[in-house]
Amino acid sequence: DIQMTQSPSSLSASVGDRVTITCQASQDISNYLNWYQQKPGKAPKLLIYDAYNLETGVPSRFSGSGSGTDFTFTISSLQPEDIATYYCQQYDNLPRTFGPGTKVDIK
Amino acid sequence: QVQLVESGGGLVKPGGSLRLSCAASGFTFSDYYMSWIRQPPGKGLEWVSHISSSSTYTNYADSVKGRFTISRDNAKNSLYLQMNSLRAEDTAVYYCSTSWRGTTSFDYWGQGTLVTVSS
Repeated sequence: DIQMTQSPSSLSASVGDRVTITCQASQDISNYLNWYQQKPGKAPKLLIYDAYNLETGVPSRFSGSGSGTDFTFTISSLQPEDIATYYCQQYDNLPRTFGPGTKVDIK
Repeated sequence: QVQLVESGGGLVKPGGSLRLSCAASGFTFSDYYMSWIRQPPGKGLEWVSHISSSSTYTNYADSVKGRFTISRDNAKNSLYLQMNSLRAEDTAVYYCSTSWRGTTSFDYWGQGTLVTVSS
């Protein structure tokens, strides 16, 4: 199985701050990576697919980059509604695997 | 709009069985792969299983293989997960999901149904 790691596991930032989350795969997954946002008590929501493509309707302050084993997810200007846990997910191989999540809150 | 509604969760004893359902609407159900993903309370996401549009192909996580069976009824726009030999570690919210992109992403999710395995 492909193992996904994320760092940090949690972070606190101020409104307007730039927030960066990293995701690392245990082997080369090309750009076969997605990012999800999950708010408390809600189902996850797809934000980024294929490592850098913004899902329709997702604000442009969210972005993704990377390929191979190292990926980055960025919120360019943190908003109060961005408080959530963010997960990466690979689809290079079965089983599909998720990172452990990064919890983002407001300082 | 796409709507996925799970049902069938509840409290079950270890070793017991449960059948989850997912009612789909707002899209041509018979054209798309469907997946089950679960999330233990306070923990991360785990892909469980998926099934192809015509039920030809199914895949399972090793943690459920041989105990869970995914199926679908395209005439009823419904997805199922039969869960047997349940263990405490199967306790989780179970989500059904689908995507325009096959099995590569999980674009649409239901609200989830909680399965608790406890004596």
